[in-house]
This record gives sequence, C-alpha cells and structure tokens, in this order.
Amino acid sequence: DAKTTQPPSMDCAEGRAANLPCNHSTISGNEYVYWYRQIHSQGPQYIIHGLKNNETNEMASLIITEDRKSSTLILPHATLRDTAVYYCIVASPGTYKYIFGTGTRLKVLA
Amino acid sequence: GAGVSQSPSNKVTEKGKDVELRCDPISGHTALYWYRQSLGQGLEFLIYFQGNSAPDKSGLPSDRFSAERTGGSVSTLTIQRTQQEDSAVYLCASSLGRGSNQPQHFGDGTRLSIL
Repeated sequence: DAKTTQPPSMDCAEGRAANLPCNHSTISGNEYVYWYRQIHSQGPQYIIHGLKNNETNEMASLIITEDRKSSTLILPHATLRDTAVYYCIVASPGTYKYIFGTGTRLKVLA
Repeated sequence: GAGVSQSPSNKVTEKGKDVELRCDPISGHTALYWYRQSLGQGLEFLIYFQGNSAPDKSGLPSDRFSAERTGGSVSTLTIQRTQQEDSAVYLCASSLGRGSNQPQHFGDGTRLSIL
C-alpha cells in the first residue's frame, strides 16, 4: 500500500507556480521523500528528493514540513511540457521497491 | 550522459511465444530494477539486482518470468509462453546503489502486447 496521499488532479496556468501537495503522515525519521513524474508514454522521471531540509534543483523545489508529515513540490514557472502525472514516494532505508500510488495529474493550461 | 536504455520500445507477439526484453543501465550504476506497469495501473516491482549479490526475485508473478544480469551491466527479462495478461509496459531502472538516498532512474520501457 502506498504510504502517501495526493490529490488526483490539479490545473495550473502556464507561467505560474505549480504547488503539488503530498501527505505522508506515517513517515519514519529515516525515510526519504521522492518525487517523480510520468509523461504519457515515457518512463517515470526523477525530479527531486529530500529527508528533512528543503531542497532545490534545476527542475523544482521540495518543501518538507517540520514534522515531516507532508511536503510540497513546487514547479516555479510551469510550462505546457510539465503536464504529467506526479508521484510522491516514501522510501525506507534498504527498501528498493518503490511503491507508486495514483499520483496527481497536473494539467498546465495555456 | 546516456540514460537507461531499453529495447525494443514496442513488442507485439502471439500468445504462447517467448519474449526477451533488454535493459542497458546507466554506466556505473550497480543496482538494476525491473517493474511492470499495466494500463492505468501503478508500477509493480518484479526483480532487483545489486552487484554480485543474489537477485531479489520476489516480485516475479510466475515461473514463466526470469531475468539475468550479465557482467553486472546489461539485463534481460524473459517471459516464456506469454499470456494476454502479460501485456503491459515493462520498465527498467538503475541506481548508484541500494540506499534510500540513491534515486532510481527509469528507462522509457518496452510496451508488450500479446495477441
């Protein structure tokens, strides 16, 4: 069973920030939060991951709440090519079997 | 740099035939994974290779499924006597190691259709 809960769908205007929430209220102290996205007919694409601190890379920012029970993926300036299903995953140490839930289907609107 | 490469990208075959799916991981990645994604479904773990250790085959759905990883690099997933329920996208991923701080990087998969 997935350890995360995400809204099934979201819309975002092109050029605006897309904020995708994820609830992981049962996360353990040593578990990482990973974000992936899957564009139609492609494999899942790694976006970003973090443990406790907020993280930023060239694709996105990851904001993890202080209690680590939820996180938000931020795409700062969404483009049409960001339309995809976004998955939030919790990974335990030594666990390599990613469990993908149903994700959030993000549609970026022109 | 090159990502995970899978071939063929599409495979159509008749029920009862054997198929082989190939995965070339990212150079230097010691861990390799196979997943299956059925239409509209999430990813289903199949098998995991880490270096020279015995693979974790716990996700293979039946004994018709097998996988090898030769020389710690290229992997082949073989499905014998294919059935229609085997139709899915088969995804391969690799990572630098096994730790939870090592992201898995996926290929674009092989779309398998059993007629």
